[in-house]
Amino acid sequence: AQKITQTQPGMFVQEKEAVTLDCTYDTSDPSYGLFWYKQPSSGEMIFLIYQGSYDQQNATEGRYSLNFQKARKSANLVISASQLGDSAMYFCAMRERGYSGGGADGLTFGKGTHLIIQP
Amino acid sequence: NAGVTQTPKFQVLKTGQSMTLQCAQDMNHNSMYWYRQDPGMGLRLIYYSASEGTTDKGEVPNGYNVSRLNKREFSLRLESAAPSQTSVYFCASSELASGKNIQYFGAGTRLSVL
Repeated sequence: AQKITQTQPGMFVQEKEAVTLDCTYDTSDPSYGLFWYKQPSSGEMIFLIYQGSYDQQNATEGRYSLNFQKARKSANLVISASQLGDSAMYFCAMRERGYSGGGADGLTFGKGTHLIIQP
Repeated sequence: NAGVTQTPKFQVLKTGQSMTLQCAQDMNHNSMYWYRQDPGMGLRLIYYSASEGTTDKGEVPNGYNVSRLNKREFSLRLESAAPSQTSVYFCASSELASGKNIQYFGAGTRLSVL
């Protein structure tokens, strides 16, 4: 079973509209972190936002917010007032404290959502 | 600030050749990682190093070796390249002490094995 599922391979959105990118995850670890990264066409991976499994409030970073629904194992990214520069691939990822115990192990990524903002 | 620097940016190899991908970070992070990204896929962990002097296998370690040369540098070696290793390789670093362990990535190395 996939640990991170992103069900939207591609999305087209009008500029200035809000966008919700879906992410569901699967873990039995009580301590985990959820991340969103942006990958523009230039190829680099840009960190956007983080949510810890014990965080009581949804994370926000500027125009980005994370809609964290723990019982549903859902961590959707919301981009408010989308801009042309938001066009990119978006990846949801999870870190589990897992086998190393120290939390230094890597991230598990979803397959991504290709977001295109139209003028 | 440079952050995470990877060299080379592009490389073409013939099957059976060897090469080393270099990665250096200037953020004084303890942990470093190597991932590969194949078309239509997210990143998959190859190896990681929680701290200087330690390395561990990730999800897809076969065909690779790593060296944590010092706190700043973490290299990935392909001893005998295969076409299946054609991919984009990313190095990342993070600081566990922050609690969040946010990973910061280099620009990637595009590798083609013919």
